[in-house]
Amino acid sequence: AQTVTQSQPEMSVQEAETVTLSCTYDTSENNYYLFWYKQPPSRQMILVIRQEAYKQQNATENRFSVNFQKAAKSFSLKISDSQLGDTAMYFCAFGGSQGNLIFGKGTKLSVKP
Amino acid sequence: DVKVTQSSRYLVKRTGEKVFLECVQDMDHENMFWYRQDPGLGLRLIYFSYDVKMKEKGDIPEGYSVSREKKERFSLILESASTNQTSMYLCASSFSTGGFLGTEAFFGQGTRLTVV
Repeated sequence: AQTVTQSQPEMSVQEAETVTLSCTYDTSENNYYLFWYKQPPSRQMILVIRQEAYKQQNATENRFSVNFQKAAKSFSLKISDSQLGDTAMYFCAFGGSQGNLIFGKGTKLSVKP
Repeated sequence: DVKVTQSSRYLVKRTGEKVFLECVQDMDHENMFWYRQDPGLGLRLIYFSYDVKMKEKGDIPEGYSVSREKKERFSLILESASTNQTSMYLCASSFSTGGFLGTEAFFGQGTRLTVV
């Protein structure tokens, strides 16, 4: 069975600095998708970024980028120029052939002024 | 604008009551999901559905059932609510890509259920 592990329950970063959130996963599948979701205090889950496993190029979305290491089964999220609005829970998720998303336990990120 | 709507944001029910949580999406998505979110445990899948009248058990289906009579609506039912079902419940939907989840899931705003 697939599993997703986020080893950092909580992190903090100063405004305007860079922070990296870690995620590892376990699967025997070769084709799959990986996602980072953000859940602010409003509770609305929002997709931050998506990576296709067959693509070697790391996905980027403005200040958000990933470091995807397929062989190591690692999928970290880098947030550059952190803003107060980035304060949220961040969830790493795996999407494979079962048809549903498998989530990690989350990392609570606090951006401090 | 893409929308997944859950019928209640907060709900308080008594032990033993039958509880219905409703979810509606307006994106014509084939797939719909119910997750339970608890601190330190992340999101755990309760049930999901690939099509009308079809359902699949997730990781924690015990004590729950679901109903999908129309494509846009997916209901979660707590047959006899218990205090250990106090939690945040999240509904989500996504396009079907032949059974492989290629597109992202869109989430509702969550229902915080308290069973007393």
